[in-house]
Amino acid sequence: LAKTTQPISMDSYEGQEVNITCSHNNIATNDYITWYQQFPSQGPRFIIQGYKTKVTNEVASLFIPADRKSSTLSLPRVSLSDTAVYYCLVGPKAAGNKLTFGGGTRVLVKP
Amino acid sequence: GAVVSQHPSRVICKSGTSVKIECRSLDFQATTMFWYRQFPKQSLMLMATSNEGSKATYEQGVEKDKFLINHASLTLSTLTVTSAHPEDSSFYICSASGMADEQFFGPGTRLTVL
Repeated sequence: LAKTTQPISMDSYEGQEVNITCSHNNIATNDYITWYQQFPSQGPRFIIQGYKTKVTNEVASLFIPADRKSSTLSLPRVSLSDTAVYYCLVGPKAAGNKLTFGGGTRVLVKP
Repeated sequence: GAVVSQHPSRVICKSGTSVKIECRSLDFQATTMFWYRQFPKQSLMLMATSNEGSKATYEQGVEKDKFLINHASLTLSTLTVTSAHPEDSSFYICSASGMADEQFFGPGTRLTVL
């Protein structure tokens, strides 16, 4: 499984856009990029998944350059409730495959 | 998305006792379930993978005789921490996957061993 590198923490303010970049230099051809959000004492929650270019859903956007060696999760107009740890994972899409969590990025949204 | 539940949400036990944690997929059949452990301020660490009807596959360094996993049905997997000690205190999280490409995580179980 490709190893990922993310910033340990980021601070932001309500209403701002938060961009978290994840490096995955050894991503394989059949690997997808998936982001999860985790609040304290809760299980991770799926945010978004992509393979290339740009993916957008109701909560976030995921930008993936052509070489796919990195990806950026963009959270538009964050609120206090977006304070959480965000994990970037890289691996095959098949549901039965195990997931390897890296260190994650602790995002703190301030008022 | 699909719902995965865990029971209990938190448990406190005495050292030396065994604790069973249940993981249920409520609205789908989970052919594969995963068990993770998370210590404070750390990431999730995969402990084992279980497929319905077969023995679990444990990650390196995880004692299979201490962490017993049973996946007897397509909606239930259990993790039993045997002879628990204070160092086993942690947040245990399960995830489940079925026919779709996504894994769904449970809410976690906080285990405290006194």
